[in-house]
Amino acid sequence: DIQMTQSPSSLSASVGDRVTITCRASQGISNSLAWYQQKPGKAPKLLLYAASRLESGVPSRFSGSGSGTDYTLTISSLQPEDFATYYCQQYYSTPLGYTFGQGTKLEIK
Amino acid sequence: EVQLVESGGGLVQPGGSLRLSCAASGFTFSSYWMSWVRQAPGKGLEWVANIKQDGSEKYYVDSVKGRFTISRDNAKNSLYLQMNSLRAEDTAVYYCARDLSDGSGSYVTDYWGQGTLVTVSS
Repeated sequence: DIQMTQSPSSLSASVGDRVTITCRASQGISNSLAWYQQKPGKAPKLLLYAASRLESGVPSRFSGSGSGTDYTLTISSLQPEDFATYYCQQYYSTPLGYTFGQGTKLEIK
Repeated sequence: EVQLVESGGGLVQPGGSLRLSCAASGFTFSSYWMSWVRQAPGKGLEWVANIKQDGSEKYYVDSVKGRFTISRDNAKNSLYLQMNSLRAEDTAVYYCARDLSDGSGSYVTDYWGQGTLVTVSS
């Protein structure tokens, strides 16, 4: 099974800050990497897929990069609505299943 | 508008059974792989099972193999999860999710329902 290690597990930041979250896969996943945002009591929302492709309707302040085993999510200028928990997901192993990172809780400083 | 609406959750005793349903609308249900993903209280996301468009392929996370069965009825635009021999560690919100091909032969989860809570406790 492919394991995903996400860091940091929590992060405090202010409105307007630039933040970066990283995800490392236990083996190469050929950019089959997605990022999700989840707010309390809500379902996850897809932000990016294929490592860097922005889902329709997602603000351009969200961006993704990486290759091989290492990937990053960057929020260029935090907005109040961005405070949430973020998960990475590798889907390289689909349809045999997929795995998520442990999550990063982004909190207001 | 894509909609996925889960139902069937509730409180069940250890060793008991429960059947979850997911009603899909706003897209051609029979054209998509579908998954169940769960989230234990205060924890992260865990993929549980998925099923091919015609139901001919099904895959499960190791922890539920032999206990859970995923199925679908394309005529009713519905996805199901039969859960038997339930354990306390199965307590979670269960999400129905749509899997979309990203063009590379892999499938990314693009839409999720709002989830249904399953609590396994005596």
